[in-house]
Amino acid sequence: AQSVTQLDSQVPVFEEAPVELRCNYSSSVSVYLFWYVQYPNQGLQLLLKYLSGSTLVKGINGFEAEFNKSQTSFHLRKPSVHISDTAEYFCAVREDGNQGGKLIFGQGTELSVKP
Amino acid sequence: DAGVIQSPRHEVTEMGQEVTLRCKPISGHDYLFWYRQTMMRGLELLIYFNNNVPIDDSGMPEDRFSAKMPNASFSTLKIQPSEPRDSAVYFCASSFVGAPLHFGNGTRLTVT
Repeated sequence: AQSVTQLDSQVPVFEEAPVELRCNYSSSVSVYLFWYVQYPNQGLQLLLKYLSGSTLVKGINGFEAEFNKSQTSFHLRKPSVHISDTAEYFCAVREDGNQGGKLIFGQGTELSVKP
Repeated sequence: DAGVIQSPRHEVTEMGQEVTLRCKPISGHDYLFWYRQTMMRGLELLIYFNNNVPIDDSGMPEDRFSAKMPNASFSTLKIQPSEPRDSAVYFCASSFVGAPLHFGNGTRLTVT
């Protein structure tokens, strides 16, 4: 069965500093990978996705992520964060095939950007 | 497109009462998912449907929970009887096969 581990539950960072949110997954089949962001009292919004092709994917708000198959990782990065990036970030995995598969989320990483 | 629509946005009920949460997926999407979010357990997949058919309900906590999808544009999640530990935010999401999920804004359920 697939699983997702987000290695940091909380990441505090100063404004304009770079940030990396770590995500590792396990699955016995090919997967699709996603990062979602959740602002307080809101639903989840897609940041970026990896379906196939280039392992470096770019998303909204200046975020990017790199798929590393050998390390089964999909870390999220941003070179310079803003106060408005403060939110909870979720990594998610969906297995290929098998009628599309279910989407499994990690526990989330709370990003706190301080001035 | 209006996106995934959930109702109600907030629900407060007393223990023992029946609760029904509703979801209208994005038109044309053939997958529908119900998730529950709590501080303790994060985002849990409860059940998902493909073409209105339940595919995996292994995440449904117990028999008090049931979900239906009578047609492609409507789904319900019912809790009967409700308990305080059911208090959570319940999200509905829909998608095409293999594609990203689109989430509704959730229903915040409080059971007193």
